[in-house]
Amino acid sequence: AQKVTQAQTEISVVEKEDVTLDCVYETRDTTYYLFWYKQPPSGELVFLIRRNSFDEQNEISGRYSWNFQKSTSSFNFTITASQVVDSAVYFCALSEGTNTGNQFYFGTGTSLTVIP
Amino acid sequence: ETGVTQTPRHLVMGMTNKKSLKCEQHLGHNAMYWYKQSAKKPLELMFVYSLEERVENNSVPSRFSPECPNSSHLFLHLHTLQPEDSALYLCASSQDAPHTGQGYHEQYFGPGTRLTVT
Repeated sequence: AQKVTQAQTEISVVEKEDVTLDCVYETRDTTYYLFWYKQPPSGELVFLIRRNSFDEQNEISGRYSWNFQKSTSSFNFTITASQVVDSAVYFCALSEGTNTGNQFYFGTGTSLTVIP
Repeated sequence: ETGVTQTPRHLVMGMTNKKSLKCEQHLGHNAMYWYKQSAKKPLELMFVYSLEERVENNSVPSRFSPECPNSSHLFLHLHTLQPEDSALYLCASSQDAPHTGQGYHEQYFGPGTRLTVT
């Protein structure tokens, strides 16, 4: 079974609209870590945020914000006032506290297109 | 150079060729990784090295052979590949000792090598 599900394959928004990217994860560990990465057309995955399972505070960084809800096993990512430069594929990932190989479980990604 | 670099960026090879992908990290990390990224599929972890020792091999075919001569360099040697091996191969590094189970440090990725097997 997929440990990280990103149900939205592709999203298109018009510039300045807000957009939320969904991420649902599955784990039996009580200690785990969640991540978001951005992959622009150049190919390199860019780290955006890390969240551990004991910290449910939402986080805001500029136009980016993250909503972590353990009750629904979700770690959603919102971009406010989207810009063309936000066009990329966004990946959510899970790392479990008990794993010995530091394996990250990635979702299949959500391709975001911001239309000018 | 900063971050994680990979060469070549693009590679086209025949099924009988032998080639190598190179990764170098300039972050002082102690763990390095190879991932395969195919269209419409999640990133697949191939190999993990911690302190130059392989700690994970996710059932990767033997036609892929990794080498980690030191904590800054990682190679992926390729031979007798199949067309289905065509993909983006990503290298990453992190400040971790994976064998301790401390999986909380983010991984930093290189730009990838786009491999096409003909």
